Amino acid sequence: KQEVTQIPAALSVPEGENLVLNCSFTDSAIYNLQWFRQDPGKGLTSLLLIQSSQREQTSGRLNASLDKSSGRSTLYIAASQPGDSATYLCAVSPFGNEKLTFGTGTRLTIIP
Amino acid sequence: DTGVSQNPRHKITKRGQNVTFRCDPISEHNRLYWYRQTLGQGPEFLTYFQNEAQLEKSRLLSDRFSAERPKGSFSTLEIQRTEQGDSAMYLCASRWGQGIEQFFGPGTRLTVL
Repeated sequence: KQEVTQIPAALSVPEGENLVLNCSFTDSAIYNLQWFRQDPGKGLTSLLLIQSSQREQTSGRLNASLDKSSGRSTLYIAASQPGDSATYLCAVSPFGNEKLTFGTGTRLTIIP
Repeated sequence: DTGVSQNPRHKITKRGQNVTFRCDPISEHNRLYWYRQTLGQGPEFLTYFQNEAQLEKSRLLSDRFSAERPKGSFSTLEIQRTEQGDSAMYLCASRWGQGIEQFFGPGTRLTVL
């Protein structure tokens, strides 16, 4: 059974700092990995998707990497802003691309 | 492209009542997924449809839960005899058959008193 872990559960950093969020998964036989953002009481916004054949994806100040062999992914946020405050979730899908398995998320607070 | 929509956005009900949620996927997305998210946790898979066929159900989906997708368009999730433990955010997602990304709706927050 696939298990996804995100550490730390919560993180507070001053505005302007670069930061890294971590995601690990137990079964390396994945089809893709997605990073999502969730604001309090809201749905999920997809940030980046990395297919199993890829090593990283970039969008603006965000960069996500994937190391399937070690079962790890990182989300790098450059020059953090207060608007980045949210919960960040990673999720993996098996081959067949159904049934995302999510981590419990990292609650990020950017201090102005 | 209007995105995935869910209604209602919030539902408050008393224990023992039945509730029904609706999800409208992105047009032409033939796959539709339901997830449940409790406070402080990540979403958990409940079930998914390919067109009108329900192909997989999680063991989380007890016999009080039923999902349908008539005609392969919108989907409904019904919970009968609600319990306080059913309080959660219910999320719907859809995906085009050849696509790789699931697109999520805003969710329906259920509170059972």
